[in-house]
Amino acid sequence: AQKITQTQPGMFVQEKEAVTLDCTYDTSDQSYGLFWYKQPSSGEMIFLIYQGSYDEQNATEGRYSLNFQKARKSANLVISASQLGDSAMYFCALETGANNLFFGTGTRLTVIP
Amino acid sequence: DVKVTQSSRYLVKRTGEKVFLECVQDMDHENMFWYRQDPGLGLRLIYFSYDVKMKEKGDIPEGYSVSREKKERFSLILESASTNQTSMYLCASSFYRGWGTDTQYFGPGTRLTVL
Repeated sequence: AQKITQTQPGMFVQEKEAVTLDCTYDTSDQSYGLFWYKQPSSGEMIFLIYQGSYDEQNATEGRYSLNFQKARKSANLVISASQLGDSAMYFCALETGANNLFFGTGTRLTVIP
Repeated sequence: DVKVTQSSRYLVKRTGEKVFLECVQDMDHENMFWYRQDPGLGLRLIYFSYDVKMKEKGDIPEGYSVSREKKERFSLILESASTNQTSMYLCASSFYRGWGTDTQYFGPGTRLTVL
């Protein structure tokens, strides 16, 4: 069975600081992918970053980077230089060959001015 | 830009009513998905579709049905709404790439309250 775990219900970070949001996963599949989404208070899920299981380099997208440690089955999201607009819920999701995503329970990030 | 729209942002219905939630995407995506989101539970897949008139059950299909008569439109139907179906419903779409799922793009969500 596939499983995604986000152990931090809430996180606080000072504006302009970096923050790491944790995500661990469990799958027996060799080929899989990991996604991070942001959900602001408006409700829409916004795609941030993707990492494939065979990608050797960590994915980066602007201020977002994914710290992928395959042996530990972790895929942490790092947000650098936090901004007030980064305050939101963040979801990690796992995809396997089943054509759908398994989501974690999310982490609420609050950026403090 | 990918655009996924949902027919309503907020909806209030009574127990026993038949409810239709509509989702439309404009990117010619093959795959479309319906999730519900509840606090502390994350997103759970209700149904998905990888082609017109095709549907697959997700993790929590009980009490729901779906319809996909056109590629761009995917409807979620609550045959007889119950209070435990009060939730946020999110629609998503993606390209089909033969294995796994390409990036899913989400609509703004419909917050349904069943009284």
